[in-house]
Amino acid sequence: GAGVSQSPRYKVAKRGQDVALRCDPISGHVSLFWYQQALGQGPEFLTYFQNEAQLDKSGLPSDRFFAERPEGSVSTLKIQRTQQEDSAVYLCASSWTSGGAGGQETQYFGPGTRLLVL
Amino acid sequence: QKEVEQNSGPLSVPEGAIASLNCTYSDRGSQSFFWYRQYSGKSPELIMSIYSNGDKEDGRFTAQLNKASQYVSLLIRDSQPSDSATYLCAVKGSGGYQKVTFGTGTKLQVIP
Repeated sequence: GAGVSQSPRYKVAKRGQDVALRCDPISGHVSLFWYQQALGQGPEFLTYFQNEAQLDKSGLPSDRFFAERPEGSVSTLKIQRTQQEDSAVYLCASSWTSGGAGGQETQYFGPGTRLLVL
Repeated sequence: QKEVEQNSGPLSVPEGAIASLNCTYSDRGSQSFFWYRQYSGKSPELIMSIYSNGDKEDGRFTAQLNKASQYVSLLIRDSQPSDSATYLCAVKGSGGYQKVTFGTGTKLQVIP
């Protein structure tokens, strides 16, 4: 079946501009995660949804970052008043569940959105 | 101290050799451990998961876990140039929802 998709794949924004990044998870996956990956670094956790509920937003770097998943499927990560330090790849991942041990918690990643803030 | 630590490399091995990638973690309560492979410009792809002490083998890949030493490793036998990538160690705590924490990754170069 279809994997996780993200759009746009590339986004160039002027400093101060607002951007919206979209994630379509694998159908039926309950859990959805957003990560930020800077060049040469591992993915850094931003936020987690279980269905439509945002259960963990501890990784959001500032109040300029906002994420939603209103119907428990598609999610949008919004960055207001973008800054140059926001330049990174934004990865979305989904999984059947988030708890327990076993294959159901395996996170499947989308291709990412590469954001460049000038 | 970082929660998940990896040597950033690059680790260079000749084709056909065994590549050994290492990872240490700080949360002693961690229960789930993952190795992801990430090619340049691509997203991470899960290659191994391990949950209990010991070895887990899947084809040319073997994951090793030692919870007492808070250490997890990945061995790649008969390394191929196509294995050249960054390998990310990821660790998840126990009980219900726990976020996954990634290391910075080790870059592996397999020399033909």
